Amino acid sequence: SAVISQKPSRDICQRGTSLTIQCQVDSQVTMMFWYRQQPGQSLTLIATANQGSEATYESGFVIDKFPISRPNLTFSTLTVSNMSPEDSSIYLCSVGPIDPRWAFFGQGTRLTVV
Amino acid sequence: AQSVTQPDIHITVSEGASLELRCNYSYGATPYLFWYVQSPGQGLQLLLKYFSGDTLVQGIKGFEAEFKRSQSSFNLRKPSVHWSDAAEYFCAVGASGTGNQFYFGTGTSLTVIP
Repeated sequence: SAVISQKPSRDICQRGTSLTIQCQVDSQVTMMFWYRQQPGQSLTLIATANQGSEATYESGFVIDKFPISRPNLTFSTLTVSNMSPEDSSIYLCSVGPIDPRWAFFGQGTRLTVV
Repeated sequence: AQSVTQPDIHITVSEGASLELRCNYSYGATPYLFWYVQSPGQGLQLLLKYFSGDTLVQGIKGFEAEFKRSQSSFNLRKPSVHWSDAAEYFCAVGASGTGNQFYFGTGTSLTVIP
């Protein structure tokens, strides 16, 4: 199993500002994923982050709004830029090898934009 | 395309009663199937998962799920619900071909009444 630490666990931010969310894993993992869960909704994949390459974004998500870093095999960050109230969501980090059977999820970051 | 359907948005059961949460999926190959639970303000906790073999899978907290290929279903069951089971439940399909990406259902909210 993998232990995932996400920081911050929650935050309240002013519109127009940016927040960087960190995801730290206790072991090296090939792939890291960032999901968004809007209020009352299911989880939607934002992007896949592989070490040493640019993140791959899903339809509807762009790098300018959600820049991602993956400097090594145990760490990734997701930045929510120029925030608006519509960005209020839970953001979750998921890690694992290519095989989804061994994926794990962080506890999430609850973001409120006011 | 992969997709997951949870037909029941909200279910209310009495404590001690049995529970079944429905999940149907669409996937071109044998899927990896998962059930996650999310308590208010918390991240995702894995209840159980199906990869292959025995189609009846046992999970934590007394939950079980049965994979029925002919019905493309993976329903979650519990014989006797406890008040602490009140939470949001998500069914998910893991897509190995796309590198550890999960497709989540929209979730079923469970209320347990005394």
